[in-house]
Amino acid sequence: DAKTTQPPSMDCAEGRAANLPCNHSTISGNEYVYWYRQIHSQGPQYIIHGLKNNETNEMASLIITEDRKSSTLILPHATLRDTAVYYCIVRVGADDKIIFGKGTRLHILP
Amino acid sequence: DTGVSQDPRHKITKRGQNVTFRCDPISEHNRLYWYRQTLGQGPEFLTYFQNEAQLEKSRLLSDRFSAERPKGSFSTLEIQRTEQGDSAMYLCASSSLFGTDTQYFGPGTRLTVL
Repeated sequence: DAKTTQPPSMDCAEGRAANLPCNHSTISGNEYVYWYRQIHSQGPQYIIHGLKNNETNEMASLIITEDRKSSTLILPHATLRDTAVYYCIVRVGADDKIIFGKGTRLHILP
Repeated sequence: DTGVSQDPRHKITKRGQNVTFRCDPISEHNRLYWYRQTLGQGPEFLTYFQNEAQLEKSRLLSDRFSAERPKGSFSTLEIQRTEQGDSAMYLCASSSLFGTDTQYFGPGTRLTVL
């Protein structure tokens, strides 16, 4: 079973920041938080990952709480092309398979 | 584009026929994974290879399924005697043994069994 809990769906206005929450209260010390997204009928796309510190790349920012039991993915200026299912995953970096949950379906509203 | 590629993108077959899918990973990646995704669900792990060795198989991978990676580069997934329940998106991902093992996915092969 997936080790994360995400809301099933969220709406965000175009141009605003989209903040997607994820709970992972049973995360172990050596497990990373990964985010992927899947646009309709495409393969999952890697977004970002982190262990303890907040991370930022050209796509998004990842904020991890100090106790590591939850995190937030931030898309700073959402566009219609960000409409997708977003998956939050915890896994050991050198582990093998990814266990996906149901993710959050993000709707960007024009 | 040097990402993961999969072929074909779509396959329609009749029940009972055999099908084979191909995955070409990112060139320097030595780990290769197969996942299956049915409508409305997240992808589910099927199997993975490190170089040419198949290291883990899910119990979802019935005896009708076989995967190979003979030279440690591309991989094939074959389904024999297809059933309607095999209809799904079959996804391939690859990663490097070094670093944090981030998996990069291909576009998938959509299988429809009539």
